[in-house]
Formats: sequence, structure tokens, C-alpha cells
Amino acid sequence: NAGVTQTPKFQVLKTGQSMTLQCAQDMNHEYMSWYRQDPGMGLRLIHYSVGAGITDQGEVPNGYNVSRSTTEDFPLRLLSAAPSQTSVYFCASSSARYNEQFFGPGTRLTVL
Amino acid sequence: SQQGEEDPQALSIQEGENATMNCSYKTSINNLQWYRQNSGRGLVHLILIRSNEREKHSGRLRVTLDTSKKSSSLLITASRAADTASYFCATVSNTGNQFYFGTGTSLTVIP
Repeated sequence: NAGVTQTPKFQVLKTGQSMTLQCAQDMNHEYMSWYRQDPGMGLRLIHYSVGAGITDQGEVPNGYNVSRSTTEDFPLRLLSAAPSQTSVYFCASSSARYNEQFFGPGTRLTVL
Repeated sequence: SQQGEEDPQALSIQEGENATMNCSYKTSINNLQWYRQNSGRGLVHLILIRSNEREKHSGRLRVTLDTSKKSSSLLITASRAADTASYFCATVSNTGNQFYFGTGTSLTVIP
């Protein structure tokens, strides 16, 4: 099993550009989530999904969209990138909302 | 913010010593989890303790939970250089679907 995979590993954007961060898991997990990690802030939840077709906002959802058309994939879209979105983004999955989460390797995003 | 906080923010010890880090949180929880993050990598789950448990062990790890004080501690015994990493606590509430992570403790184990 590959676990949780994320692409790309690194990305540089200009302000105003849009892009999609990809996340996939092969563990048949229902629960998936996106976090951003900033220095001194720990991880903050952006959006999460409890199953295909169901998504909800986390702590810092503004500027991001998600969809969950399949159990395996949970892409994160930046609609119009801003320098404040410079961060490391992690995708995670778990078999249920109370259980341990499995994290992807992260995407380091820089917005100029 | 509903984030928890770890204490201390940074900890430096000699190999073989014990390392203790603490986590405080704000809401009632279903469980509390500890994760490790090596530099430049994703987080890895270490241990989960449920709200009705007070202590749990896994290898060299010992976790305690005090729900009346809304706090937890992680003890790593006989530390090794390979334990050098950041450690995060995460709480899962009974009422929501969200994980809340603390701000992390950076542990350095000096060989």
C-alpha cells in the first residue's frame, strides 16, 4: 500500500494564480482532511470530509475549496493564491473520525 | 482558536535521559493522540488515549491524561538520537468531526 500520497511536493505560484493540490489514499478510509502548517502555529484544519460527497469547513477554510467525488481522492483547490497561503500543506486520512490519522508527505507552497 | 498547546516549546536532552512534554487543551474530548514529525516529513501517529483512560504505555512511550485539568503528558524513556523530532498532541471532540493539533514540542536528543 502506498498510504497517503500528495502531489506536487513543491510549488511556487504568483499572487492570483490558482492550482490544485492532489491527495489520494489507498486504505479505503472514509475520513480525509487537509491541514496547513505554519511556523509556531502547529497544524490547522482547512477542510475535511467524512465520506464521498460530504465535505465541511475546518478552522481556516477561506481561500480554499475541496470536493470528494471518490473515497480515494480529496483535492484541495486554491482559488486565487495569496502570499498568506505560503505554507506546508498536509493531507491525512483515517478509518473514522476518532481514529489515528495517516499523513501524506506534504506539499511546500510558496506564493510570491 | 481551539488549538491546544504543548509545553515546553523546545527541549534538549542527552541520550539516555527521559523526555517529558505536556499538552493542554480546551474542549471536552473523545480521545487525545500524540504524533511525531521528523524534519521535512509528515506526521506519524504514536499513541491514542481515550477520555476514560488515565495512562497508557507503548514501548518507551508513556502517556497520561487528566480530563479534569484538560491536560496530557508524553514521557519518552531512555531517549535516543533518533527520537529527535517535533511532537504534537491532537484532540478529537465528542461533538465534532475535527482534530485540533497543539503547537508542538521540538525535542533534540544529543548523542
